[in-house]
Amino acid sequence: DQQVKQNSPSLSVQEGRISILNCDYTNSMFDYFLWYKKYPAEGPTFLISISSIKDKNEDGRFTVFLNKSAKHLSLHIVPSQPGDSAVYFCAAIRASNTGKLIFGQGTTLQVKP
Amino acid sequence: GAGVSQTPSNKVTEKGKYVELRCDPISGHTALYWYRQSLGQGPEFLIYFQGTGAADDSGLPNDRFFAVRPEGSVSTLKIQRTERGDSAVYLCASSLAGVYNSPLHFGNGTRLTVT
Repeated sequence: DQQVKQNSPSLSVQEGRISILNCDYTNSMFDYFLWYKKYPAEGPTFLISISSIKDKNEDGRFTVFLNKSAKHLSLHIVPSQPGDSAVYFCAAIRASNTGKLIFGQGTTLQVKP
Repeated sequence: GAGVSQTPSNKVTEKGKYVELRCDPISGHTALYWYRQSLGQGPEFLIYFQGTGAADDSGLPNDRFFAVRPEGSVSTLKIQRTERGDSAVYLCASSLAGVYNSPLHFGNGTRLTVT
């Protein structure tokens, strides 16, 4: 039972353009969502998070949008840079399981110069 | 300061053998997590420690897997009678508190290959 899904295995964008990575979830009890970035042979690195009481959170070039009614979140990267090329994972958690992040399968982003 | 350190970085073992994977968290981090990542998948939760005790071990797949954190710092993940299906990258992470208050900092993982 995949509670967090990233349906696009890969995405390719041109440098300077917007990258939009999508994530869907099925468990309405999730109340906190995170995005992680992973380079080859390294562990995931935290990027940005959002609480379920918000619909948007912004940090520099990264913005996360949450649509609770659709159980959908997205990560926008503007402008995209070649160094952003990595695997991006969305993750979700609920208050009753404070240590248990549920991750999606990941989306590989390639930013072309 | 130093990040989360995991040793060894690679481990090859034969089916049926016992292995130990070590994690040194960031100093002062009370929470420690083990995840497992198979090829093409996202990290899968195994166990979460708050201090010395396992606060949630619901992700351990069976009783061949066990983890300890005796002094609230270093943790060891132990796998008995390894099977080929145990082959994966085992990730350790630590945080100052729970996920809500501080992000998880991951190590680079131990790649376990069971032949």
